[in-house]
Amino acid sequence: AQKITQTQPGMFVQEKEAVTLDCTYDTSDPSYGLFWYKQPSSGEMIFLIYQGSYDQQNATEGRYSLNFQKARKSANLVISASQLGDSAMYFCAMRDLSGGYNKLIFGAGTRLAVHP
Amino acid sequence: EAQVTQNPRYLITVTGKKLTVTCSQNMNHEYMSWYRQDPGLGLRQIYYSMNVEVTDKGDVPEGYKVSRKEKRNFPLILESPSPNQTSLYFCASSLGRPGNYGYTFGSGTRLTVV
Repeated sequence: AQKITQTQPGMFVQEKEAVTLDCTYDTSDPSYGLFWYKQPSSGEMIFLIYQGSYDQQNATEGRYSLNFQKARKSANLVISASQLGDSAMYFCAMRDLSGGYNKLIFGAGTRLAVHP
Repeated sequence: EAQVTQNPRYLITVTGKKLTVTCSQNMNHEYMSWYRQDPGLGLRQIYYSMNVEVTDKGDVPEGYKVSRKEKRNFPLILESPSPNQTSLYFCASSLGRPGNYGYTFGSGTRLTVV
């Protein structure tokens, strides 16, 4: 079965520095997709970035980029030039086709604190 | 504005008292889903729906019911809530297959069962 692992329960970073949030996955499907979501203290889930397994280039969206290493089955989120507003919970998610239904499964999340 | 609307945002109830959390989306999405979020466990799927009148169990369906009588609405029903259902609940909808398109989430419902 597919599995998503986020090994860092919490991280902190100084404002304006870059930070990498780890995500590893396990799947036997040759075609899959990986997502990152942000959850600020207000609770909503905000989509950040998507990487398809066949995409030739690593995905980027503004200050967010995905360090996708297919052989190592990792899809780490890189946030450049951290801002105080980046303090939040971050979830990695992956497509799961088990049970015949196309759905998302989520990791346990990483809480990021940005310090001034 | 395209959105998923959940109500209520916060709810405190007593064990055994039936409750419904409403969810509505205005994007004409076919796929809808309910997740619960618990510390250290991430988000786990409760139920999902691929279209009107088509629903199925997710990973943690015990103690919950859903219905999909209209495309836009997907209420979550707790017939007899128990304290272990205290959690943060999210309704989500997707333009297509969620694993390909991802989800648009509602703002969440924080439920406490005492």
